[in-house]
Amino acid sequence: EVQLLESGGGLVQPGGSLRLSCAASGFSFSTYGMGWVRQAPGKGLECVSVITGSGGATDYPDSVKGRFTISRDNSKNTLFMQMNSLRAEDTAIYYCARLTPYYVDYWGQGTLVTVSS
Amino acid sequence: EIVMTQSPATLSVSPGERATLSCRASQSVASNLAWYQQKSGQAPRLLIYGASTRATTIPGRFSASGSGTEFTLTISSLQSEDFAVYYCQQYNNWPRTFGQGTKVDVK
Repeated sequence: EVQLLESGGGLVQPGGSLRLSCAASGFSFSTYGMGWVRQAPGKGLECVSVITGSGGATDYPDSVKGRFTISRDNSKNTLFMQMNSLRAEDTAIYYCARLTPYYVDYWGQGTLVTVSS
Repeated sequence: EIVMTQSPATLSVSPGERATLSCRASQSVASNLAWYQQKSGQAPRLLIYGASTRATTIPGRFSASGSGTEFTLTISSLQSEDFAVYYCQQYNNWPRTFGQGTKVDVK
């Protein structure tokens, strides 16, 4: 059974940093692209980062480029996202997502990030 | 960036009735379109990929069609567990973009 378990969310002040993690199990982690999708309270979905199975390529939308960095450790079946210079508009539930190969076929349950003073 | 527009924003349907949801892309996405279902307080779930292929375990009452810029998701006979928000997503271009969602609620 595919499982994706996020952690690392919480309350952070504007301008602060946070590192999200996603522990994956139930599939061959290194053979899948992965990503993070966020959902602001009461709003829709936004894909904020993707990474290939090898970790050799990444991409970001303009809204987070230069502030967020996605990475992975295939030896530990874990996905990460480092979030710097956080803004109030980054407040959202962040979902870990498995890509097959470009759409999301499995989602984690999400971790809440709140950016507020 | 490709803008995905879903209509209507809310669809009120009685159990057992048919529901038809629309999704329009601002430019062609070929058949690179997925549909997701999200119930309150839960993560989204994949329903459809490739514009018309049902994902594993998705019941046959869900069907979808379209290509290019116009897409449709149909639920043939709504069950109680189908009342939720539905999102379309294009994965033809980066950034991957979602529609704003259609909420299907009880009439």
